[in-house]
Amino acid sequence: QQQVKQSPQSLIVQKGGISIINCAYENTAFDYFPWYQQFPGKGPALLIAIRPDVSEKKEGRFTISFNKSAKQFSLHIMDSQPGDSATYFCAARGIQGAQKLVFGQGTRLTINP
Amino acid sequence: DAGVIQSPRHEVTEMGQEVTLRCKPISGHNSLFWYRQTMMRGLELLIYFNNNVPIDDSGMPEDRFSAKMPNASFSTLKIQPSEPRDSAVYFCASSLADRNTGELFFGEGSRLTVL
Repeated sequence: QQQVKQSPQSLIVQKGGISIINCAYENTAFDYFPWYQQFPGKGPALLIAIRPDVSEKKEGRFTISFNKSAKQFSLHIMDSQPGDSATYFCAARGIQGAQKLVFGQGTRLTINP
Repeated sequence: DAGVIQSPRHEVTEMGQEVTLRCKPISGHNSLFWYRQTMMRGLELLIYFNNNVPIDDSGMPEDRFSAKMPNASFSTLKIQPSEPRDSAVYFCASSLADRNTGELFFGEGSRLTVL
């Protein structure tokens, strides 16, 4: 019943490199696509989000690219730093109903110094 | 300003025992969510409330799970009887129902181990 598929499950990137995490969704009735960042022992926290009416959103070193026709979106972390090491979740929210989010499986990102 | 507060942070119990997890949402938020996180299944939505009313409990695994929200500042998730497969981290999250943002604020979670 998973509606958001995320890859890869784990990712190792060298410091200064670009980290790329991909997500694909099936339900066309999603209208909001956030990314959450989770550090060990903590709850997920909103990192950046995008709506399907734009193709890209950038906040500092973090960029979401959105491809509505392909039903895919990705997170790019430029100049990756050891402090970016965390688990990242993509998510989607349906147009109908309230605020519930469907999450991807998560990607454990490790930035090597 | 206090975030979402969950208790206990850690719970170890034996199979068959009752477990009650507690959550205090952020003041002023009107939506509350219970998620379960495991390595195998990731983050699963169990149930969510809007203005203290359960809206969608389709994610609750079975009758052993129940959730209540008696008022805007408190919610519980109860498992009775608990089983080893219930071992997971349970997160509570709250939000201000707003179609423009929709940001969920998560607590630090309650790690449950059922032996």
